Amino acid sequence: GAGVSQTPSNKVTEKGKYVELRCDPISGHTALYWYRQSLGQGPEFLIYFQGTGAADDSGLPNDRFFAVRPEGSVSTLKIQRTERGDSAVYLCASRRTGANQETQYFGPGTRLLVL
Amino acid sequence: ILNVEQSPQSLHVQEGDSTNFTCSFPSSNFYALHWYRWETAKSPEALFVMTLNGDEKKKGRISATLNTKEGYSYLYIKGSQPEDSATYLCASRGSTLGRLYFGRGTQLTVWP
Repeated sequence: GAGVSQTPSNKVTEKGKYVELRCDPISGHTALYWYRQSLGQGPEFLIYFQGTGAADDSGLPNDRFFAVRPEGSVSTLKIQRTERGDSAVYLCASRRTGANQETQYFGPGTRLLVL
Repeated sequence: ILNVEQSPQSLHVQEGDSTNFTCSFPSSNFYALHWYRWETAKSPEALFVMTLNGDEKKKGRISATLNTKEGYSYLYIKGSQPEDSATYLCASRGSTLGRLYFGRGTQLTVWP
């Protein structure tokens, strides 16, 4: 079946601009996660949705970052006033909830470059 | 913050060699240990999820073990092939909420 998809695959923007990154999870997966991987680091957690609500947003670095999942499926990560340090690969993952449903299935990521 | 360490950072082997990597994680508040393979321009692929001390999992030529008491996991690849070239990530889940804490990965290159 279809996996997690993310758009765009690459995004180049200028410092100070606003960007939106989209994630389409696997159908039926109620849990959705955003991570980002900066150069030389492992992926770092940003936010976790259970259904429409953010169950854990403690990984968002500051108030320039915001994410929504209004209908419990597609999610959008929004970054305001981008900075060069926001350049990273942004990964989305989804997971089926329930007993023994541990695996998070990742999309290919959006590579964001802020000039 | 849950500190997950992986070693080595990179590894170059010849086709046919067997190899192994290490992942260490805090043994307290442990829920699950994940291994992923991530090839360039592709999605990270889930290899294994392990939860119990002493767990061993196998998928083809790749296997993994888990020691939750001392906080480490090993990933083994038997008879490495060029298509095994990728970054191998491990991640620990340290709470009920599901967030994963990743190591920096081991970058494996297998030369033909």
